Amino acid sequence: GAVVSQHPSWVICKSGTSVKIECRSLDFQATTMFWYRQFPKQSLMLMATSNEGSKATYEQGVEKDKFLINHASLTLSTLTVTSAHPEDSSFYICSASPLTDTQYFGPGTRLTVL
Amino acid sequence: AQSVSQHNHHVILSEAASLELGCNYSYGGTVNLFWYVQYPGQHLQLLLKYFSGDPLVKGIKGFEAEFIKSKFSFNLRKPSVQWSDTAEYFCAVNANSGTYKYIFGTGTRLKVLA
Repeated sequence: GAVVSQHPSWVICKSGTSVKIECRSLDFQATTMFWYRQFPKQSLMLMATSNEGSKATYEQGVEKDKFLINHASLTLSTLTVTSAHPEDSSFYICSASPLTDTQYFGPGTRLTVL
Repeated sequence: AQSVSQHNHHVILSEAASLELGCNYSYGGTVNLFWYVQYPGQHLQLLLKYFSGDPLVKGIKGFEAEFIKSKFSFNLRKPSVQWSDTAEYFCAVNANSGTYKYIFGTGTRLKVLA
C-alpha cells in the first residue's frame, strides 16, 4: 500500500515553455502533498506544502509564480514550472501524506530545460 | 532554526560488516523521526520511523534505529550489511507540529563491497 506515482518520469522542454508534473496517491487519500527538489548528490529541498482545496504554502526563497501548485483532489497534486529556464533543470519529487505524519514518496520527475 | 545533521557523507563497508549511520537534530520539542533509503534509480522508501514508545525501533530489511532524546540522536544500525544495501540513506525529522513537514538530513551514501 501507500503508493505514489508521478508523471512524467522524464521531460525535456525548451527554455520559456511551461511544464506540468502530476503527483497521484494511488491507494490512499492524501490530505497533504509536498513538492521537493533534489540536486545531484544532495538532499531533498522542500519547495512547498499542498493541502487539498487550499493554496499551497511555499518555503522561503521559492517563487510561487514560477512554481504553480494545484491540489484539486485528495489524490492529485500538480506542479507547473512556468517559463522554465535551464537553472530549473532538476529532479522534482512529490510525496503524499494521509492523516498521519508519514510521507510516501513518488519516483520523481527529471526535468531538463534546454 | 531546526536542522538535521548526518555526519557521515560517504561510507564504504565490506559485506557482513556492521553499520551505524549517525543522525542528529536540533529541536527542543516533540519530534517524529524517520529513516528513508533511496536505492540507485529508485524512489525514497521508508525504512523505519519513531513516533513514541520504545526508543529502539525495528524496520524493514534488518535495520533498526535508536532514539536517544538526551543526545538528540536517531542513529541507524544494521548488524551485517549486504551488497544490496548499497544506497543513499536519509534521516528526516518532523517537528510534530501538525504540518507534517520534514526536515531532511544531507544523506549518507553507503557502498557495500561484495
